[in-house]
Amino acid sequence: EAQVTQNPRYLITVTGKKLTVTCSQNMNHEYMSWYRQDPGLGLRQIYYSMNVEVTDKGDVPEGYKVSRKEKRNFPLILESPSPNQTSLYFCASRKSWLGGPDTQYFGPGTRLTVL
Amino acid sequence: AQKVTQAQTEISVVEKEDVTLDCVYETRDTTYYLFWYKQPPSGELVFLIRRNSFDEQNEISGRYSWNFQKSTSSFNFTITASQVVDSAVYFCALSEIGLNNAGNMLTFGGGTRLMVKP
Repeated sequence: EAQVTQNPRYLITVTGKKLTVTCSQNMNHEYMSWYRQDPGLGLRQIYYSMNVEVTDKGDVPEGYKVSRKEKRNFPLILESPSPNQTSLYFCASRKSWLGGPDTQYFGPGTRLTVL
Repeated sequence: AQKVTQAQTEISVVEKEDVTLDCVYETRDTTYYLFWYKQPPSGELVFLIRRNSFDEQNEISGRYSWNFQKSTSSFNFTITASQVVDSAVYFCALSEIGLNNAGNMLTFGGGTRLMVKP
């Protein structure tokens, strides 16, 4: 089954404790992306990757890191989480990095709470 | 830069009522795609429809219909005879085409929370 998986689905942590949210897709997609969802703001892009070893900042990259060492995986790293990073996070992938009709597939979401 | 506005933050209706969710977008491109996603209480994002900027035909899928009007930059979504299971947050999104937008594939609106009461 074609899918994007994320782990963990729920995480409660404390300020400053490094964490990683994993994301994996099994569709051989070139493009992967991370979004955060906050009430009234919709989804905002954190980082994206057009292919292996090619990553760039989205609209809200501060406090986050990513890596793309393999095509299927795109982990999101919070080196020193803060309470303002409490949010619902989505990983997404699509076939091509060009804009257009390709549907973007979303993971199930990771609800992160930083105390 | 592209922008999507969903002015209705919350809508509450009684089951079997019709409801329309508004979406207005801004883009300088002539070629673009519009999407609607549904986010039920379980949290996942479910793709509903994609529309390209050259196709202004309305689309109907069961109780769902979409009205795309380029003249007013709107892509509204109507649910006919709403049901409790339609309760969710609905997002409208815009994707431009081309190298200028290689990074940000989708620009989302703020979402509309629809509550359908029995």
